[in-house]
Amino acid sequence: DVKVTQSSRYLVKRTGEKVFLECVQDMDHENMFWYRQDPGLGLRLIYFSYDVKMKEKGDIPEGYSVSREKKERFSLILESASTNQTSMYLCASSRDHKEQFFGPGTRLTVL
Amino acid sequence: GQQVMQIPQYQHVQEGEDFTTYCNSSTTLSNIQWYKQRPGGHPVFLIQLVKSGEVKKQKRLTFQFGEAKKNSSLHITATQTTDVGTYFCAGTGGNEKLTFGTGTRLTIIP
Repeated sequence: DVKVTQSSRYLVKRTGEKVFLECVQDMDHENMFWYRQDPGLGLRLIYFSYDVKMKEKGDIPEGYSVSREKKERFSLILESASTNQTSMYLCASSRDHKEQFFGPGTRLTVL
Repeated sequence: GQQVMQIPQYQHVQEGEDFTTYCNSSTTLSNIQWYKQRPGGHPVFLIQLVKSGEVKKQKRLTFQFGEAKKNSSLHITATQTTDVGTYFCAGTGGNEKLTFGTGTRLTIIP
């Protein structure tokens, strides 16, 4: 059974903290993505990666960075968390720009 | 940049009624995908359409890709309680990036 896993389902952090969200896929996919999901706004792409050590900005990269040191792992980093980054974060992976497989999501609350 | 809008944002239907969600892109798409997200769950891929005017069916679900490849629709016939969730379209534009629509949340009144 193919899987995308995320390090936490729920996370509570304080303003100014550095936050790491981890994503691991076991499907040997080249492509990995980070989205945030907010009511009424759908899924918005933060960053994506088509290969190890490669990263590209999505539509809303401000306040975020990413790391892809290994093919199966894609990390999202909030350098200094702010309250407007409270959201559901979804990681996904795909092969050849076809269907994306999503992880269960991390609901992050920044106080 | 590329924008993908969906209407309606919410739809409440009586069980057994039909349901349709519409997706419109600001640019021509090379393909369109549809996903379903159950309450509390994550998006799950349903289908991909590639050809202009393409129509595909999955049991009670009918997916259509417009002739100009700028719009798409998902129609569910005779809704059931298992159809509850949010339906997203996602289109791939010239930059090869997948852009998700805003989603339509479907609730069923038993």
